[in-house]
Amino acid sequence: SQKIEQNSEALNIQEGKTATLTCNYTNYSPAYLQWYRQDPGRGPVFLLLIRENEKEKRKERLKVTFDTTLKQSLFHITASQPADSATYLCAETTDSWGKLQFGAGTQVVVTP
Amino acid sequence: GAVVSQHPSRVICKSGTSVKIECRSLDFQATTMFWYRQFPKQSLMLMATSNEGSKATYEQGVEKDKFLINHASLTLSTLTVTSAHPEDSSFYICSARGPRDRSEKLFFGSGTQLSVL
Repeated sequence: SQKIEQNSEALNIQEGKTATLTCNYTNYSPAYLQWYRQDPGRGPVFLLLIRENEKEKRKERLKVTFDTTLKQSLFHITASQPADSATYLCAETTDSWGKLQFGAGTQVVVTP
Repeated sequence: GAVVSQHPSRVICKSGTSVKIECRSLDFQATTMFWYRQFPKQSLMLMATSNEGSKATYEQGVEKDKFLINHASLTLSTLTVTSAHPEDSSFYICSARGPRDRSEKLFFGSGTQLSVL
C-alpha cells in the first residue's frame, strides 16, 4: 500500500533563509499531491496542489516541485519568517471521493 | 474560501459518557465530509467518509458502533463518540471538499480536543 513519508525531525531555520521539506511516496505516482499547514490545536489549511504532470508550482513565497522519477515532492519556503513556524503536511488523494492520506508532517521553526 | 465550522473546540467528559461533535459547512453545501483523528505528534488518520443521506464509510479498524456518524443535511455532519474511554482522547477534525464537492483540496474545521477522564 502507498505510504507518504516526511522527515519527522523538526527543521530549525534562521529567518530569511529558505526552508526545504521533503515528501516521498513509496508506491504508485499519485495524480496530485497537496501541501497543508497545521498550527498547534488547529485544523490543517490548504497551501498548494501540484499535479503529476507539473514540475513546479508557486504561490507567493512558497514553491512545490514534483519528481515522479524520484517519487518525491519538495516544498520550499523562501525568505522564511517566524510566522511560518508550523507543521507542514503532505497528502495524496486515495480515491474518487477525495479522501486524503497524510504524511506525519514536518515541523518548521523559524528563529529571528 | 469555503468555511467549515466545528464545535465544540474542546470537551472534557467522564468515562462512559457520549460526546457529539458537529461539523458545518457555513457557506456551501457538502455532500461528502471526512472525519480524521490525530494523536499528539502524529499524522491525521482518516476515520470515516460521511455521505449526506446515506451511511458513512468507515476505515479499517474504526468501530462503527463506537463512532457514530450522521450526515443528515448538506451542511451538517456529526460524530458521536459513544461510551467514551480514556483511549478515545484525541484531536478530532472534520473536513469537506468545498462547494459541490468539486474542489480537490479539503477545507478543515478547527478541530475538537476530546479528553476523557
